[in-house]
Amino acid sequence: TQLLEQSPQFLSIQEGENLTVYCNSSSVFSSLQWYRQEPGEGPVLLVTVVTGGEVKKLKRLTFQFGDARKDSSLHITAAQPGDTGLYLCAGNAGGTSYGKLTFGQGTILTVHP
Amino acid sequence: DTAVSQTPKYLVTQMGNDKSIKCEQNLGHDTMYWYKQDSKKFLKIMFSYNNKELIINETVPNRFSPKSPDKAHLNLHINSLELGDSAVYFCASSQGGTGIKRTQYFGPGTRLLVL
Repeated sequence: TQLLEQSPQFLSIQEGENLTVYCNSSSVFSSLQWYRQEPGEGPVLLVTVVTGGEVKKLKRLTFQFGDARKDSSLHITAAQPGDTGLYLCAGNAGGTSYGKLTFGQGTILTVHP
Repeated sequence: DTAVSQTPKYLVTQMGNDKSIKCEQNLGHDTMYWYKQDSKKFLKIMFSYNNKELIINETVPNRFSPKSPDKAHLNLHINSLELGDSAVYFCASSQGGTGIKRTQYFGPGTRLLVL
């Protein structure tokens, strides 16, 4: 069974601060995705990374896939209250897994004005 | 335009009852999923259908039975509801077979509370 360990579980910061969320596994994933979920809604995809060492940027968000494709990080620069939400990483094992996603436990981010 | 819709949004019921949750997607996708999110926000796949065929069936009690009448619909029926079934159930859909870059589009969730 593939597991994704996501940390920290909770993060409470002031507007303007930087933060990093980590997603680690002992298993190799063919791709890794980051989702954001707001209260009362379903998760929404932010990014997909597929190549070891890949770095993708989405405005103030920077996503990185580890060289061995076992870990990933999400870095937010100058966080804003609008960034508040639940962030989920999800790995796709590929092969015969039929696209099954394994989710991390999630990070609840609160950005205070 | 709603891409993935679920009904009902809230479901409160007694232990032992049987209930169904419906999901519809208007994205033309060929794959649909059911996920369960527990009180700690952990999201876990339950089932997946591709072109109406069951392709993922995780370790889920037999009381849970999915049904896909067509590619746009995936319903979830739960028999003999238990307290531990209380959770948020999300439906999702995607297009493109087993590609590792597929985007899954989630519905708004159904909040099930078993009393």
